[in-house]
Amino acid sequence: QSALTQPASVSGSPGQSITISCTGTSSDIGGYKYVSWYQQHPGKAPKLMIYEVSNRPSGVSNRFSGSKSGNTASLTISGLQAEDEADYYCSSYTSGTTWVFGGGTKLTVL
Amino acid sequence: QLQLQESGPGLLKPSETLSLTCSVSGGSISSSNYYWGWVRQPPGKGLEWIGNIYYSGTTYYNPSLKSRVTMSADTSDIQFSLKLSSLTAADTAVYYCARVIRGYDSRGYYQGGAFDIWGQGTMVTVSS
Repeated sequence: QSALTQPASVSGSPGQSITISCTGTSSDIGGYKYVSWYQQHPGKAPKLMIYEVSNRPSGVSNRFSGSKSGNTASLTISGLQAEDEADYYCSSYTSGTTWVFGGGTKLTVL
Repeated sequence: QLQLQESGPGLLKPSETLSLTCSVSGGSISSSNYYWGWVRQPPGKGLEWIGNIYYSGTTYYNPSLKSRVTMSADTSDIQFSLKLSSLTAADTAVYYCARVIRGYDSRGYYQGGAFDIWGQGTMVTVSS
């Protein structure tokens, strides 16, 4: 069970949009709709931002959106704000009833 | 509002067994809609899924940790536990407990899920 692949870092200016990719295999991202995204600020617990590829939990800004194509999922943040600066992790359900996380992406708001 | 709180020793020696408990307030673990899981994060590194448990006791473990992990659900329905044996320095991490909201497949059967509520985490250091 290998970790999903995410870029180590992305950056953008306030007001811009950024996209974070998350690449897996046909046994995880490509095979199921259960891709989720988490935001983690330093010293804090992760927070669920997107579940089942593109669904937002109640209270999460509509500036956050998710999508999937084949074995790659993506998280897009539009209208970047300073408070969006954090680490972001993707996760997927996999065959064998297990879960796997990505290595994480550090978002810097310039 | 459901809340989760991890508890357990912060410092252990190599070869010892880690025992952590996650206490649930504002609800119980006895619901068919959820799993209850553990995730850890070594200092400066990413998240690693350890395992999930259903309130009936059915467990799902990370294959890389399976030989050392035991999860259990307390009959009080307000806590669940993690045991990790044969500790090494590589097990040093912040350990989080979390609720996993189960999804549904196209046939309407439970499948998958997302970690929707997290505890604050507890730091565990393994050192001689």
